[in-house]
Amino acid sequence: AQSVTQLDSQVPVFEEAPVELRCNYSSSVSVYLFWYVQYPNQGLQLLLKYLSGSTLVKGINGFEAEFNKSQTSFHLRKPSVHISDTAEYFCAVTFIQGAQKLVFGQGTRLTINP
Amino acid sequence: EPEVTQTPSHQVTQMGQEVILRCVPISNHLYFYWYRQILGQKVEFLVSFYNNEISEKSEIFDDQFSVERPDGSNFTLKIRSTKLEDSAMYFCASSAPSGRGNEQFFGPGTRLTVL
Repeated sequence: AQSVTQLDSQVPVFEEAPVELRCNYSSSVSVYLFWYVQYPNQGLQLLLKYLSGSTLVKGINGFEAEFNKSQTSFHLRKPSVHISDTAEYFCAVTFIQGAQKLVFGQGTRLTINP
Repeated sequence: EPEVTQTPSHQVTQMGQEVILRCVPISNHLYFYWYRQILGQKVEFLVSFYNNEISEKSEIFDDQFSVERPDGSNFTLKIRSTKLEDSAMYFCASSAPSGRGNEQFFGPGTRLTVL
C-alpha cells in the first residue's frame, strides 16, 4: 500500500531563518509528488509538484523541493521564511497509473516566530 | 481567478440526521473529489467522480455516503445517517481533464459537527 510520512508534526522557526519540511513516501509504483499549503480558515493550495525531469522543483512563495528517488523523499525547503508562511503544509502523492486520488501525509504545522 | 466554493462553511447536526454538503467546482473541470480531515489527522480521500459516475471510492465511503452532480455546476456529498465519527472537515476538489498529474484545486472546506 502507498503511504506518505511527514516526519515533523510541528516546526517552529524564527523569521528569516531557513526551513526544511520532511516528506517520505512508500509506493510500489511510480508516483507524482505534491506539496500543498493550508492557511488558517482556507482550503489547500498547491505549492509545487514533481511529475518528471529535473529533481529540483520550484514553487510559489519562494519554496522549492527536491525529489530523491533512492531515499523516496520529497523535502520542502525555503531559504528565508516570513511570518506570512505560518500555515499547515501537506505532502501528497498520486499514482502515475490508475486513479488520480491524492494520498496525503499527516501535515506539518510551520510556525514563524518574530 | 476561478475557485472551488463550498457551502455551508460549518454544519452542526444531530446523530442520525441526513446532511448534504455542497460544492461548486471550477467550471471547465471534469474530475471531482471529496476528501475529509478528522481533527488532528491526515486528509483522507473519499471518492472521485468523472463523467457522471464514481471512478473510485475509499473504504470510508460506505453505503451511508453518496455523491451527485445534480446540475452543471454543483457537486454534492450526502451522508444519509450521520454518526459521531463523521465529524470532520470535508474538502471538495476538482481538476481539469488535460492529463495525469493535474493539480487538484481545493475548496475551503465544510466543518461538519455531529452531536
